[in-house]
Amino acid sequence: GEDVEQSLFLSVREGDSSVINCTYTDSSSTYLYWYKQEPGAGLQLLTYIFSNMDMKQDQRLTVLLNKKDKHLSLRIADTQTGDSAIYFCAESIRGSTLGRLYFGRGTQLTVWP
Amino acid sequence: SQTIHQWPATLVQPVGSPLSLECTVEGTSNPNLYWYRQAAGRGLQLLFYSVGIGQISSEVPQNLSASRPQDRQFILSSKKLLLSDSGFYLCAWSIGQGIYEQYFGPGTRLTVT
Repeated sequence: GEDVEQSLFLSVREGDSSVINCTYTDSSSTYLYWYKQEPGAGLQLLTYIFSNMDMKQDQRLTVLLNKKDKHLSLRIADTQTGDSAIYFCAESIRGSTLGRLYFGRGTQLTVWP
Repeated sequence: SQTIHQWPATLVQPVGSPLSLECTVEGTSNPNLYWYRQAAGRGLQLLFYSVGIGQISSEVPQNLSASRPQDRQFILSSKKLLLSDSGFYLCAWSIGQGIYEQYFGPGTRLTVT
């Protein structure tokens, strides 16, 4: 199937690191993505990782992929109040409809000053 | 650069009234287009996708329909709205093959009363 699961809430203090976790079930994933949604807005693509990679770093963001456990994580270093948002994990699957993505329900990240 | 527009931004409609939401993409040709609904549970539900003019695929049965009269225009419609149609409607586009990242519009908040 194409189940993508995430925890619903995460709270951290400003300056700490945040780790948002995601699990998926389909082993035919091609790419895995992290999107950010601020209140009342559309989704913004933050980063993505090819399914044959283990890690990708982009400034404050680090994506880790454990293919064996089908586990994806997003680490935000030095979390700021502006990082408060909903974060969605998504995957695309080989052989699926062109461009089809499967999204998790999103993790609400709250950053306390 | 590519941009995606949605209108209206917010809409309040009575039960049984018709609906028309519009999405347009600029700066790209022959995009894949998507309509999503985000309800109170925050998950993203894919409603329709289109890989070309006049080509519409529906993911779930419902009283909504979609049309693509032009290459970069995607319309979501209903003849008679239900209370359960309330939600945040997001349009997205992607191109070609490979990474499949999707780019989202700002969304339309629909409240059916």
